[in-house]
Amino acid sequence: DIQMTQSPSTLSASVGDRVTITCRASQIINTWLAWYQQRPGKAPKLLIYKASTLENGVPLRFSGSGSGTEFTLTINSLEPDDFATYYCQQYDNYPRTFGQGTKVEIK
Amino acid sequence: VQLVESGGGLVQPGGSLRLSCAASGFTFSNYDMNWVRQAPGKGLQWVSDVTGNGGSTHYADSVKGRFTIFRDNSKNSLYLQMNSLRADDTAVYYCVKSGSVGALDYWGRGTLVTVSS
Repeated sequence: DIQMTQSPSTLSASVGDRVTITCRASQIINTWLAWYQQRPGKAPKLLIYKASTLENGVPLRFSGSGSGTEFTLTINSLEPDDFATYYCQQYDNYPRTFGQGTKVEIK
Repeated sequence: VQLVESGGGLVQPGGSLRLSCAASGFTFSNYDMNWVRQAPGKGLQWVSDVTGNGGSTHYADSVKGRFTIFRDNSKNSLYLQMNSLRADDTAVYYCVKSGSVGALDYWGRGTLVTVSS
């Protein structure tokens, strides 16, 4: 199975900050990577697919980059709604696998 | 797009449960569908998927041989038959649509399955 490792596990930041979350795959997945946001008590929401393509309706302050085994999610100028948990997921191979999640907390 | 899960509840270890997902707002038969679960306070785990025509399925190792995913395109419905349930199957189960390039683009609200005596 492909292991997905996110860092950090928790991130403390303030409104207006720029934050970056890293996701590393245990083998090459080209750009078959997605990012999801999950607010407490809610279902996950797709933010980015194919490593860098923004899903319709997702604010432009979110961006993704990377290919192969190293990927990043960047949020420019954090807003209050952005405090949530973020997951990466590979869909290159079966079984599909998620990272363990990165919780973005208010500092 | 709307995905509405049902069928969750409390079941004893070794028991069975069938989850259902009613889909609307898109051409159901054109898209792969998934089940993803989340144990209380834990991360996301992909469980299974099925192709649009129902002809091909995949499973996580942890559920292989115990769970069966299937769909009825005439009813725009997705199912997960869960047998030999264990305590570590306790989770919220989400019905999830795959997008055209494979990412999971629409999620239901989930249904809670609790396996306990």
